[in-house]
Amino acid sequence: EAQVTQNPRYLITVTGKKLTVTCSQNMNHEYMSWYRQDPGLGLRQIYYSMNVEVTDKGDVPEGYKVSRKEKRNFPLILESPSPNQTSLYFCASSATGQLGFTGELFFGEGSRLTVL
Amino acid sequence: SQQGEEDPQALSIQEGENATMNCSYKTSINNLQWYRQNSGRGLVHLILIRSNEREKHSGRLRVTLDTSKKSSSLLITASRAADTASYFCATGGNTPLVFGKGTRLSVIA
Repeated sequence: EAQVTQNPRYLITVTGKKLTVTCSQNMNHEYMSWYRQDPGLGLRQIYYSMNVEVTDKGDVPEGYKVSRKEKRNFPLILESPSPNQTSLYFCASSATGQLGFTGELFFGEGSRLTVL
Repeated sequence: SQQGEEDPQALSIQEGENATMNCSYKTSINNLQWYRQNSGRGLVHLILIRSNEREKHSGRLRVTLDTSKKSSSLLITASRAADTASYFCATGGNTPLVFGKGTRLSVIA
């Protein structure tokens, strides 16, 4: 079954304690992306990756890191989490073509993070 | 970024009625997509319309695109309680898809 898998689904942590949210897709997609969703603000893009070893900042990259060492995995790293990073996080992937971002995005089920 | 903006922010209708949501955007695009999100879950792709298309249908969904007005609409016909969800438009082109804040649709049985 084609899917994007995120872990953990729920996490409560404390300020400053490094954490990683993993994301894996089994569709051989080149493009992967992280979003955060907050009430009243919609989905905002954190980072994205066009392919292995290629990552770019989205609209709200501060406080986050990513890596793309393998095509299927795109972990989101919070080196020193703060309460303003409490949010619902989504990973998504897509095939890309010559015309750019034309493909359907497949989303994971989300990771709800609380930073105390 | 070429963020879409959905209108209205919230919509409440009776089961069986049609629901119409609108999306406006600011820059040129090569496609526009609509997604659905059940509460707290991942978004699910509904339909994609390319910039050279004016209308597209998928089951009870009808999407229109007017590139001269930089706007799109999503019509859900004969709505059901199970259609209750948030609906997002996303514009695509040479930069990554950017989502609006969504329309929250409530269908009352």
